[in-house]
Amino acid sequence: DAKTTQPPSMDCAEGRAANLPCNHSTISGNEYVYWYRQIHSQGPQYIIHGLKNNETNEMASLIITEDRKSSTLILPHATLRDTAVYYCIVGEGAQKLVFGQGTRLTINP
Amino acid sequence: GAVVSQHPSRVICKSGTSVKIECRSLDFQATTMFWYRQFPKKSLMLMATSNEGSKATYEQGVEKDKFLINHASLTLSTLTVTSAHPEDSSFYICSARVGSRNEQFFGPGTRLTVL
Repeated sequence: DAKTTQPPSMDCAEGRAANLPCNHSTISGNEYVYWYRQIHSQGPQYIIHGLKNNETNEMASLIITEDRKSSTLILPHATLRDTAVYYCIVGEGAQKLVFGQGTRLTINP
Repeated sequence: GAVVSQHPSRVICKSGTSVKIECRSLDFQATTMFWYRQFPKKSLMLMATSNEGSKATYEQGVEKDKFLINHASLTLSTLTVTSAHPEDSSFYICSARVGSRNEQFFGPGTRLTVL
């Protein structure tokens, strides 16, 4: 079973920041938080991952709470092409990733 | 990020035939590859973990004799669906772990339709 809980769907206006929450209250000390997204009929695309510290790359920012029980993925300026299912996954990098149901993010013009 | 390819991207076959799907890591060596299956409007379900040079580890409920996995080199893993039936129709996706990095990269997927 997936170790994360995400809202099933969210909407965001184009140009705004999209903030996607994820709860992972049973995360263990050596597990990372990974975010992937899947656009219809494509393979999942890696977005970002982190262990304890907040992370930022060219795609997004990842904010992890101090107790590591939840995190937020931030897409700073959402575009229509960001419409996808976003998966938050916790796991050890060398091990299998268990996908939950994800959040279906719709960016509206 | 690292690039993973799959071939074919789409295949249609008759019931009872076998289908082979290839997964390649194009610009890195992958000691571990993973195979997933995804049904319409569902999430990805892990089928098996494939380690180069050793037998694959299958998830509970996945028939190892039906879904043959071979990981003969550090850049290639294959999934063969043997004696395919319509219920095997699905989107099959592989991923590869980048050596020392805690990241997995996914292929574009293969859509299998069994008539």
